Parts: sequence; structure tokens; C-alpha cells
Amino acid sequence: QPVVTQSPSASASLGASVKLTCTLSTGHITYAIAWHQRQPEKGPRYLMKVNSDGSHTKGDGIPDRFSGSSSGAERYLTISSLQSEDEADYYCQTWGAGIWLFGGGTKLTVL
Amino acid sequence: EVQLVESGGGLVQPGRSLRLSCAASGFTFDDYAMHWVRQAPGKGLEWVSGISWNSGSIGYGASVQGRFTLSRDNAKNSLYLQVTSLRPEDTALYFCAKARGAFWSGPDDAFDVWGRGTMVTVSS
Repeated sequence: QPVVTQSPSASASLGASVKLTCTLSTGHITYAIAWHQRQPEKGPRYLMKVNSDGSHTKGDGIPDRFSGSSSGAERYLTISSLQSEDEADYYCQTWGAGIWLFGGGTKLTVL
Repeated sequence: EVQLVESGGGLVQPGRSLRLSCAASGFTFDDYAMHWVRQAPGKGLEWVSGISWNSGSIGYGASVQGRFTLSRDNAKNSLYLQVTSLRPEDTALYFCAKARGAFWSGPDDAFDVWGRGTMVTVSS
């Protein structure tokens, strides 16, 4: 059973940068992932797709402060110039074993 | 504006049924696969079910296989989830989501539009 792993929490200061990590299990390290943001009391929002080569395709209206990258089994979401509204849960999503899989999510706190 | 609006949730007793609906607007509905994803209180996202653009292929998560039925009406730009034999562990916020492509399965077609969700509470 493929696994998608995320750290449960992260924090960074207002105006700083943060890099969130999504780790794919062995056998799926060539897969693309998608990053989604879930702000409190709102539906999830698609941020971007990140390919294994590090290229990424952002959703409509996603600010330039959000970027994606890859290294081996890891897929990253970097948010620069952190704003208070970036405080949210971030989920990665991938395909594996015939189903869609989500990581457990990372709760980002903006200090 | 691209929009998905869910409805049909509520408080229901264990073993009963509900029909969730998702109304789509702002895009060509029958060009895309659609999905339901749920989030139990305090938990993460869980994929429930997906359907291809023409209903030719449907998939379900293991926890709902045999109890939930996904369908769509392209003429009405609507997606439906018939949920039966409900259990307390089905309590969750249910989101409708649009795929980036026409098919529900495969590594390249993640979800790029989401609704705000409809809450299903299963309790006696």
C-alpha cells in the first residue's frame, strides 16, 4: 500500500519563508503530487501540481509566493513572504494502488 | 466563476441513507471527471469516490465500497452520491471536487476545484 507522509505541523514568522515536505513511498517516487490548502471554515483550494522533475503547474490565481520543487521521493511546497492568511492545513495528494491518496496534512502556523 | 455547491447533508441515524448532491457551474461539466472527498472531525482528507466524464468508469475507496453509489447527470451539471448503511465513522464534511482531466483514475489528474462541503452526521 503506497503511503504519502507529511509532518503534522510547521511554523514560521510573518514575512518569512517555509518549506513543507511530502514524502512518497518507495515505488512511487516518480509520481507527481498535488498540493491543496485548507483554510479554516473554507473548502480546500488547489495550489499546484509538482512533478518528479521539480516542474510545477499552479492553479488559477495562486500567488507567485507559492512554488513547488522535488528531490527524489520528496515533493516540496515553499511559501515565501508569509502572510497571516497562509495559516492553514496543507495536504499533498497522489495516485497509488488504484486510489487517490492524501497525506495526513501539515498544519502551518504563522507566528 | 467556476463553482461547486454541495447539498443534502444532515443528521441521520446509523443504518439509514442520504443522497448528497453537487451542483457545478462555470465550466464544461461533461469534459471532466468528478470526485467526492470527505474529512472527519479532526482528521485529514479521505478520497471517497470518483467518476469519469461519461460515467463509464467509477471508483470507490475501500471504506465505502458496496455502500455508496456515485452518479452524475451531465444534462443537469450535477453529481450525486447515494450513501447507504451509514455508520458513525461516516460522520464527516463531504466535499465535491473537479478533476483536472476526463478520467477519475491515473496519476496526472488531481483535483483543481473544490466545493465548501456538506456535513453528514451519523448518530442515534
